[in-house]
Amino acid sequence: QKEVEQDPGPLSVPEGAIVSLNCTYSNSAFQYFMWYRQYSRKGPELLMYTYSSGNKEDGRFTAQVDKSSKYISLFIRDSQPSDSATYLCAMIRGFQKLVFGTGTRLLVSP
Amino acid sequence: KAGVTQTPRYLIKTRGQQVTLSCSPISGHRSVSWYQQTPGQGLQFLFEYFSETQRNKGNFPGRFSGRQFSNSRSEMNVSTLELGDSALYLCASSLGDRVAYEQYFGPGTRLTVT
Repeated sequence: QKEVEQDPGPLSVPEGAIVSLNCTYSNSAFQYFMWYRQYSRKGPELLMYTYSSGNKEDGRFTAQVDKSSKYISLFIRDSQPSDSATYLCAMIRGFQKLVFGTGTRLLVSP
Repeated sequence: KAGVTQTPRYLIKTRGQQVTLSCSPISGHRSVSWYQQTPGQGLQFLFEYFSETQRNKGNFPGRFSGRQFSNSRSEMNVSTLELGDSALYLCASSLGDRVAYEQYFGPGTRLTVT
């Protein structure tokens, strides 16, 4: 069983929809939770990070962490075609390595 | 501030050869991590270097090695290439003096082994 599980998608939504992307994890020692966006043929770009449980908002993006359920989410409001990309969750404990989910491919149609 | 740069961007090698990839981190960043990305396995951690020392290592065979120079630039080497080594190799840099939740990735080197 992988430490971090993420549905690969693709997830197809119309422009303007609210998108929910999720990851589950098995290691309760994870402290920081990140979301990266990766466009085709590019490196991942850090979108947001959250420490421990709670919510964090940045513009149209909201990251949510529920440590009791070992579940993290990224919500995208008013989705745009330019949001079409692969979204990777990642998590880390202490000075250890980043552990990534396999990524969810999102397609936003005009 | 310039981002993370990787060279070369594309490489084609044959089985049995070796390859060296280069990564220049963001100025002031002292940690460089390397990842292999494939469609089936996603992003897998290779190793991390901080102040010229390997600080973390993933579960890859000894054919994969790396090093970091005093200016924080890093190289990774893959010897005796196999077909399964075809992948996008990404490096990421961070300050390194705290938990590396803010890692910034380069565009990657796409390696094809034939």
